[in-house]
Amino acid sequence: EAGVTQFPSHSVIEKGQTVTLRCDPISGHDNLYWYRRVMGKEIKFLLHFVKESKQDESGMPNNRFLAERTGGTYSTLKVQPAELEDSGVYFCASTLLMGTEAFFGQGTRLTVV
Amino acid sequence: KQEVTQIPAALSVPEGENLVLNCSFTDSAIYNLQWFRQDPGKGLTSLLLIQSSQREQTSGRLNASLDKSSGRSTLYIAASQPGDSATYLCAVLPLGEYGNKLVFGAGTILRVKS
Repeated sequence: EAGVTQFPSHSVIEKGQTVTLRCDPISGHDNLYWYRRVMGKEIKFLLHFVKESKQDESGMPNNRFLAERTGGTYSTLKVQPAELEDSGVYFCASTLLMGTEAFFGQGTRLTVV
Repeated sequence: KQEVTQIPAALSVPEGENLVLNCSFTDSAIYNLQWFRQDPGKGLTSLLLIQSSQREQTSGRLNASLDKSSGRSTLYIAASQPGDSATYLCAVLPLGEYGNKLVFGAGTILRVKS
């Protein structure tokens, strides 16, 4: 069974450009989460989907970040326009039920120059 | 606000040694605690999940304990091997949080020398 997969694994973009990250959760997992680690900091929660609905987006840093999960399958996280401080590793995770074991993807390393 | 601290920040041991990684959290009201492993440039691999009602979980050479009242968890690795070298992360799921808003520690970087 495939785990959580994320695309791309790395992305280098210039300040002001747009980047879209994608996450495919484990099949059958209704709960999908985005986390982020910026340099030297702990991994921090961004938002949580239950199927196609945003359950909690309290961790989204600002309105330059837009997450979607159309059809309740894969999710995208768009950063527009990207700023230098958005650089970091973006992780996606999924769980079968809320409160159960979380499975993480390999992450997308975003570098804004 | 829940905060998670991991000690030590880094650890270097010779192969074959038994070792303990520590995790502490400020609020004992948690749903569960999860230990992860991260290899360089890779994602997080779940090692053990301990529910708040449990005291410990074991998987192979790994044993994780939980003392919720004192806000502490330990990850015990027996007979360490070079392949155990990685960053180990502890994360708690606070009670009352709807969903899986895990709160992570900064991690312990482990190096096992052959």
